[in-house]
Amino acid sequence: ETGVTQSPTHLIKTRGQQVTLRCSSQSGHNTVSWYQQALGQGPQFIFQYYREEENGRGNFPPRFSGLQFPNYSSELNVNALELDDSALYLCASSLGGQRGSGRVGQFFGPGTRLTVL
Amino acid sequence: AQKVTQAQTEISVVEKEDVTLDCVYETRDTTYYLFWYKQPPSGELVFLIRRNSFDEQNEISGRYSWNFQKSTSSFNFTITASQVVDSAVYFCALSDSQDSNYQLIWGAGTKLIIKP
Repeated sequence: ETGVTQSPTHLIKTRGQQVTLRCSSQSGHNTVSWYQQALGQGPQFIFQYYREEENGRGNFPPRFSGLQFPNYSSELNVNALELDDSALYLCASSLGGQRGSGRVGQFFGPGTRLTVL
Repeated sequence: AQKVTQAQTEISVVEKEDVTLDCVYETRDTTYYLFWYKQPPSGELVFLIRRNSFDEQNEISGRYSWNFQKSTSSFNFTITASQVVDSAVYFCALSDSQDSNYQLIWGAGTKLIIKP
C-alpha cells in the first residue's frame, strides 16, 4: 500500500508569483484534503476534493484553487502569493468525501514547505 | 460551535516518565469523532487513534493509552515510559455532522519534549 506523497518538499517563491503543489493519495482513497499550517499553529482546512469536485472549503480566498484528477491525485494552486502564504502545506487522503474522512480519519503526506519572500 | 482545547502548550519530561496530554472538546452533536495525531519535527502528521462518541472504552496500544470521558468532554492521551522518539507536537481533533459537516476541528497542539 502506497502512502500519501507530496511534491516538491520545499519551495521558495517571491511575492506575486504563482505556485502549484502536488499530492498523490494513498492507494484506494478517493478524497483529498488540503491544509495550511503556519509555524507553531494547527492545520487550517483549505478545501477538499472528492471524485474530482470541490467538496467543502475553508476560509481561504479564491486565489487558492485546486484540482483532482481521475486517479485521485490532486493539485493546489495559489496565485498572487503573499508573504503570509509562507507555511507547510499538507495533503491528506481518505475515503468517502467529508463524511468518510470525518468519521474514519485522514492520512497525511509529508507536506510541502513554501517560503514566500 | 465546536471547539477543541489543548491547554498545555508545551510539556517537558525526562525519559521514562509517564506523561498525559489533555484534550477537551465542545460539540452540540451526539454523534462525533475524536482523533489524535502526532507531528514529529519532519512535519508529517501521523494518525494515532480515532474514537467515536458511542464508544467510551479506553484504548491501550503499547505505551500509548487514551481515556475518553464524555461526562467531562475529554479525550486525554497518556504515554507510559516515555522515550526521546516520542518528542513531537500532538494534536487532538474533532469532527461532527452538524456544524462542521465532518471537517476536522483541530486543537492548537501540545509540544512534548522528552529529555534523555
